[in-house]
Amino acid sequence: EPEVTQTPSHQVTQMGQEVILRCVPISNHLYFYWYRQILGQKVEFLVSFYNNEISEKSEIFDDQFSVERPDGSNFTLKIRSTKLEDSAMYFCASNGGTGRGANVLTFGAGSRLTVL
Amino acid sequence: AQTVTQSQPEMSVQEAETVTLSCTYDTSESNYYLFWYKQPPSRQMILVIRQEAYKQQNATENRFSVNFQKAAKSFSLKISDSQLGDTAMYFCAFMILNSGTYKYIFGTGTRLKVLA
Repeated sequence: EPEVTQTPSHQVTQMGQEVILRCVPISNHLYFYWYRQILGQKVEFLVSFYNNEISEKSEIFDDQFSVERPDGSNFTLKIRSTKLEDSAMYFCASNGGTGRGANVLTFGAGSRLTVL
Repeated sequence: AQTVTQSQPEMSVQEAETVTLSCTYDTSESNYYLFWYKQPPSRQMILVIRQEAYKQQNATENRFSVNFQKAAKSFSLKISDSQLGDTAMYFCAFMILNSGTYKYIFGTGTRLKVLA
């Protein structure tokens, strides 16, 4: 079963440091997403990405955040200067768009970010 | 505004019993998809069941079924013969095609505990 892979599984960083969270979506998927979840609570949308550009972003996704698909397989989320409130679980997800499993969002296992 | 409401923050059910999780949503779109995702403790979100809004027949996946009431904008999940492994957070979500990309809206989740 194809899966979305995320690294690292857990990262601890100091406030103000840059963090890059990495994701490898399912290979033939076209739509990519980042969500975050604080302390097992609600799932918050950050950004969606299609055709090498951001298709939508939320209010949370401010100038401190950026996404990139540098090599056609990885999909990264960068937080430029982390704040305490960025501590959360970050989920990458992808959607194939068409074909089998169309419209279903497949999630990775998440990257837990702890900002001290 | 497009919203998903899960009015039950927590529920519990005895093993082998049946439980229903409620979900209501609001959208002006006529074509959309609805989903229930399961998130076991400290685990990734996995798809439980999905429903196309244009289909009147309620979706079923083994012990999981939905009651889709389009006019009422209601999409409840019924779990029959509950098992300990069903203990998880359950998220209701709907998806629309928005400006050429897929937009997913999630509810705040219902924490279900299956009791032995």
